[in-house]
Amino acid sequence: GQNIDQPTEMTATEGAIVQINCTYQTSGFNGLFWYQQHAGEAPTFLSYNVLDGLEEKGRFSSFLSRSKGYSYLLLKELQMKDSASYLCAVSYSGAGSYQLTFGKGTKLSVIP
Amino acid sequence: DTEVTQTPKHLVMGMTNKKSLKCEQHMGHRAMYWYKQKAKKPPELMFVYSYEKLSINESVPSRFSPECPNSSLLNLHLHALQPEDSALYLCASSPGQGLNTEAFFGQGTRLTVV
Repeated sequence: GQNIDQPTEMTATEGAIVQINCTYQTSGFNGLFWYQQHAGEAPTFLSYNVLDGLEEKGRFSSFLSRSKGYSYLLLKELQMKDSASYLCAVSYSGAGSYQLTFGKGTKLSVIP
Repeated sequence: DTEVTQTPKHLVMGMTNKKSLKCEQHMGHRAMYWYKQKAKKPPELMFVYSYEKLSINESVPSRFSPECPNSSLLNLHLHALQPEDSALYLCASSPGQGLNTEAFFGQGTRLTVV
């Protein structure tokens, strides 16, 4: 089975930096995704890590350590519009296809 | 075109109705998915189609019946649903092979069963 853990809620101040952690235990691991989801909307892709290390994309960075089953999403220069749920999702091989299992999501509130 | 299009956006149906949700993508993706998302919960996988064949059925009740008429279309047929089936139904697609399996999501159908 797949087990993914991330904090339920976080609060950070506008302009600050926040790190959202994700730990996972899975078989057939391919890679790890981070998605952003605003209330009532579909998830949108933020980043993908398949190898160890840091991937940077503008204000967002994501880190992966496969040996530790650990990832984090780093958001810099926080803006009010970054208030959303952030979903960690693990891609793994199963039954002849690739699947995506989501963590429960971290609800981030950005305050002035 | 990097869109996954779902129709309808909203659906209200009675417990005796039969309705269908539709999903379409033109990215040449060979894997398509149905997810169900309840309020304040993560998306939960329901079905996976790989190369137009059902490869995963996550113990979903038979009142949900998926169909993949061709590589671009995915339907979810609904019959005799219960109020607890009210949720956001998300369709997604991915290349279906290789390591980069980023899933593109549609905007979802918000279903209310009355």
